[in-house]
Amino acid sequence: NAGVTQTPKFRVLKTGQSMTLLCAQDMNHEYMYWYRQDPGMGLRLIHYSVGEGTTAKGEVPDGYNVSRLKKQNFLLGLESAAPSQTSVYFCASSPRLLANTDTQYFGPGTRLTVL
Amino acid sequence: KQEVTQIPAALSVPEGENLVLNCSFTDSAIYNLQWFRQDPGKGLTSLLLIQSSQREQTSGRLNASLDKSSGRSTLYIAASQPGDSATYLCAVKKIKAAGNKLTFGGGTRVLVKP
Repeated sequence: NAGVTQTPKFRVLKTGQSMTLLCAQDMNHEYMYWYRQDPGMGLRLIHYSVGEGTTAKGEVPDGYNVSRLKKQNFLLGLESAAPSQTSVYFCASSPRLLANTDTQYFGPGTRLTVL
Repeated sequence: KQEVTQIPAALSVPEGENLVLNCSFTDSAIYNLQWFRQDPGKGLTSLLLIQSSQREQTSGRLNASLDKSSGRSTLYIAASQPGDSATYLCAVKKIKAAGNKLTFGGGTRVLVKP
């Protein structure tokens, strides 16, 4: 049981390049999330999905697109990378119906640098 | 809009001292509050979750309190150890938040010196 995995772990891009970050979970969770973490700012939600084929905007969606073609995968795309998108990106998943102790489960993160 | 603040941003204590970490939030209409731990280069791990109807939650050396009316939570770590060095983040879930979304504080980076 791998939990939440993210690919790649590190990436360096030049301004204007595009890339896709892959998140996969094997816990059969309905909900998935993409966050970015910048120094001193905690985690900010970029986009999220409440089920296969659905996506919704979070707090900071500009410059990013997402897709949830399969329940276990959630992709985050940068069409034209900018230096302001240099950050650590985290994926998370959670079950739809939260029991008292359920929470979001996080991947290890992807460190992205845009030059 | 819910805002979550954690002060101080960084804390350094000698081993054995008790740790007190603070979290404040602006909107008291929360469903629950969680404390997470983040080790360098790693993801987040949930430590404690307090439902809005609860006043505190305990797990081993960790105790978290919640005062919803004043918008505050405190995480106490007793008899700190070097292995407690990490960043601690609190997060709140609003009542009826679509997609079970969380709002995070900026975190407190803790260093426990041997």
